[in-house]
Amino acid sequence: EDKVVQSPLSLVVHEGDTVTLNCSYEVTNFRSLLWYKQEKKAPTFLFMLTSSGIEKKSGRLSSILDKKELFSILNITATQTGDSAIYLCAVGGSNYKLTFGKGTLLTVNP
Amino acid sequence: SQTIHQWPATLVQPVGSPLSLECTVEGTSNPNLYWYRQAAGRGLQLLFYSVGIGQISSEVPQNLSASRPQDRQFILSSKKLLLSDSGFYLCAWTDRSTEAFFGQGTRLTVV
Repeated sequence: EDKVVQSPLSLVVHEGDTVTLNCSYEVTNFRSLLWYKQEKKAPTFLFMLTSSGIEKKSGRLSSILDKKELFSILNITATQTGDSAIYLCAVGGSNYKLTFGKGTLLTVNP
Repeated sequence: SQTIHQWPATLVQPVGSPLSLECTVEGTSNPNLYWYRQAAGRGLQLLFYSVGIGQISSEVPQNLSASRPQDRQFILSSKKLLLSDSGFYLCAWTDRSTEAFFGQGTRLTVV
């Protein structure tokens, strides 16, 4: 059974802090790992990772995948209150099955 | 460009009533389609996914079912709703090489 575990489940920080969110996985026939941000309704796409060791970056957000150790991290530097959201990690496996973790609820206080 | 439509946005149904949620995708052909449920703002639980017409994989045994009568249409159904079926339902699609794109979701409350 495919499995995605995110940690921590929740996190409260102050504006300006740097946070690291973790995602570990067990999946048959790994295809890709995806990160999403969800604020109110539909999750919005952040990154898709398929190769180990290649960092993807978008502004203050960055992510990297380790296919040997089966995990990924999402970093957010200089956090802002607008970063408050649920961050979701998903892994694509056999037959295009897409499994999500339980998410990390990030709260950034001013 | 591709778009995904999911409706209704909110739904309040009595226990024991039937359910039908519909999702359609435009601008692509033969998409992979997914139904997820999200409880209390947490992670997404995969309910069903489909890689083609009439091909449905079920992940969680329950009183819900899914059908794909047309290439870009995915329907989530129940014959008799339970209180535990309340939640936020999300439909998504991929074209096998890209990220998943989500509909706006349906908030279902069973009373």
